[in-house]
Amino acid sequence: QSVLTQPPSASGTPGQRVTISCSGSSSNIGSNTVNWYQQLPGTAPKLLISGNNQRPSGVPDRFSGSKSGTSASLAISGLQSEDEADYYCAAWDDSLNGVVFGGGTMLTVL
Amino acid sequence: EVQLVESGGDLVQPGRSLRLSCTASGFSFGDYTMGWFRQAPGKGLEWVSFIRSNTYGGTTENAASVKGRFTISRDDSKSIAYLQMNSLKTEDTAVYYCTRVVGAPMAADYWGQGTLVTVSS
Repeated sequence: QSVLTQPPSASGTPGQRVTISCSGSSSNIGSNTVNWYQQLPGTAPKLLISGNNQRPSGVPDRFSGSKSGTSASLAISGLQSEDEADYYCAAWDDSLNGVVFGGGTMLTVL
Repeated sequence: EVQLVESGGDLVQPGRSLRLSCTASGFSFGDYTMGWFRQAPGKGLEWVSFIRSNTYGGTTENAASVKGRFTISRDDSKSIAYLQMNSLKTEDTAVYYCTRVVGAPMAADYWGQGTLVTVSS
């Protein structure tokens, strides 16, 4: 059971906009920033969004993050086939004194 | 180019020990927090351990699941981070990833390719 809650799956067609939610609590998302990771099949994870909404260099602006209260969201616009991957949210948890993850969302591009 | 290369993964029996190494290049290793994450077969990501730079005291943080058994350390002269794993359990079976960590978000901005640790009798 993951500390952060994500839907196990999401899907969309090419060109569509998809959002993935991440729900936490006051000790994690409510008081710290959220990072998002993308894991393509068979590869190591990659940082997609840091500090709620900052894209590292090289990440397309189709990817955006937001946070409100104890929840966060990852939005992917102009969906492409190469976006098919697992997506994880993560945040520092002040009570557990460590990083907590969501269980991951498998995104399928139909 | 930032590169992180893990080594040391192996098949070990429960209760035994193993040390993982992470050799870094392409950045000023001593200036960064380094971390270890893991992913059990078919499962999600799990944070394992962080070690801050010596600028911030070289302090460490460990997940509750490994506290008292795993120890993270670093050798800035060699640009290597280590994860000493003792009293291994079957549930420690996973691919272990070394990461560079940045900022207050404690975001892992670079990941190695991972090394597989299998704990089984």
